[in-house]
Amino acid sequence: GAGVSQSPRYKVAKRGQDVALRCDPISGHVSLFWYQQALGQGPEFLTYFQNEAQLDKSGLPSDRFFAERPEGSVSTLKIQRTQQEDSAVYLCASSLDRSGEQYFGPGTRLTVT
Amino acid sequence: AQSVTQLDSQVPVFEEAPVELRCNYSSSVSVYLFWYVQYPNQGLQLLLKYLSGSTLVKGINGFEAEFNKSQTSFHLRKPSVHISDTAEYFCAVSEGRDDKIIFGKGTRLHILP
Repeated sequence: GAGVSQSPRYKVAKRGQDVALRCDPISGHVSLFWYQQALGQGPEFLTYFQNEAQLDKSGLPSDRFFAERPEGSVSTLKIQRTQQEDSAVYLCASSLDRSGEQYFGPGTRLTVT
Repeated sequence: AQSVTQLDSQVPVFEEAPVELRCNYSSSVSVYLFWYVQYPNQGLQLLLKYLSGSTLVKGINGFEAEFNKSQTSFHLRKPSVHISDTAEYFCAVSEGRDDKIIFGKGTRLHILP
């Protein structure tokens, strides 16, 4: 069956540009998570949605980062005025509520030049 | 606050030899524990998880891990590795079945011919 998909797979942005990263979770999955994985590091939590409600955004590094999931399915992570330190792979994961397993997408590799 | 320590950043091992990847965690509450694998240029895949019950957990591809509460460890083992096991392995912890996951920094498993 279809897994979690993310687009674009690669994004190059000039410093100061805004970017939008899309995540399509597995159909029917209630929970959706965003993580940031810097080079050579483990993924770090950014934010969490249950349906359309953003229940935890404690991991967003600054107010330049914004995420939404307006209809409880597709989610978009937006980064305004990108900085070089934003360069990373952005991972999206979805899960059935309380299943204990998150399914990860392939990630979007963002490079800010 | 939760944290995960993977003691080895790289582990070289000969093909068909056994391997153990070490993981220690800290948390003030009961936890759920995971091992994820990331093959080159691919997304994260769940190897195994401990939610409750038996402390010895068996996963995919012949891997197993043992939860040791007194030592706060969750080491990953495989009795005989194959070249296809070359990947980055991440130990992870969460406080709930539908909670954010805290990842370690990863251990790169390098299989020697």
